[in-house]
Amino acid sequence: ETGVTQSPTHLIKTRGQQVTLRCSSQSGHNTVSWYQQALGQGPQFIFQYYREEENGRGNFPPRFSGLQFPNYSSELNVNALELDDSALYLCASSLSATYEQYFGPGTRLTVT
Amino acid sequence: GNSVTQMEGPVTLSEEAFLTINCTYTATGYPSLFWYVQYPGEGLQLLLKATKADDKGSNKGFEATYRKETTSFHLEKGSVQVSDSAVYFCALSPNYGQNFVFGPGTRLSVLP
Repeated sequence: ETGVTQSPTHLIKTRGQQVTLRCSSQSGHNTVSWYQQALGQGPQFIFQYYREEENGRGNFPPRFSGLQFPNYSSELNVNALELDDSALYLCASSLSATYEQYFGPGTRLTVT
Repeated sequence: GNSVTQMEGPVTLSEEAFLTINCTYTATGYPSLFWYVQYPGEGLQLLLKATKADDKGSNKGFEATYRKETTSFHLEKGSVQVSDSAVYFCALSPNYGQNFVFGPGTRLSVLP
């Protein structure tokens, strides 16, 4: 059984640019959640997708957007990058919206 | 709003010592409570969970009891090992599996 995978592992962007992060969910999982983890802090919930629809959103501005595809993989897009967007971005998949989440290893984004 | 508070780290213990990591929460209703662990260079892993008051979650020698009267979910282990060195996150979900709120994490170092 393949776990949750994320790409790329590391990424460096310049302030004002746009970035797309990708997540492949665990086999059979139809729900994906995205989190931002700043250095030394706990993860903060960005949003969740369930069967290709947004199913809950945390306190993040609209320049954070996402997609879930028919195969349940997902993308996180961030526009107009700011220095404070530098963080580890975690993706988690689950069998359904109310089941245990399995986390990927994360994508480390650095904004300069 | 919902929030989680954890004891500040880092916590340094000798092998076979007793471990307690305090966690208290603020939430409306009856959230589900979780402990996640993040080993160096790895993603978050669910350690244990409890979904209602007085439930005890346990796994790998770790235990935590959902105490509604004190809004706490303290993590304990009777005898820690070097391999337990990691960052531990307390978390809640107001609607099981969704909208997770994580604490800031507590780094544990166990010395041989």
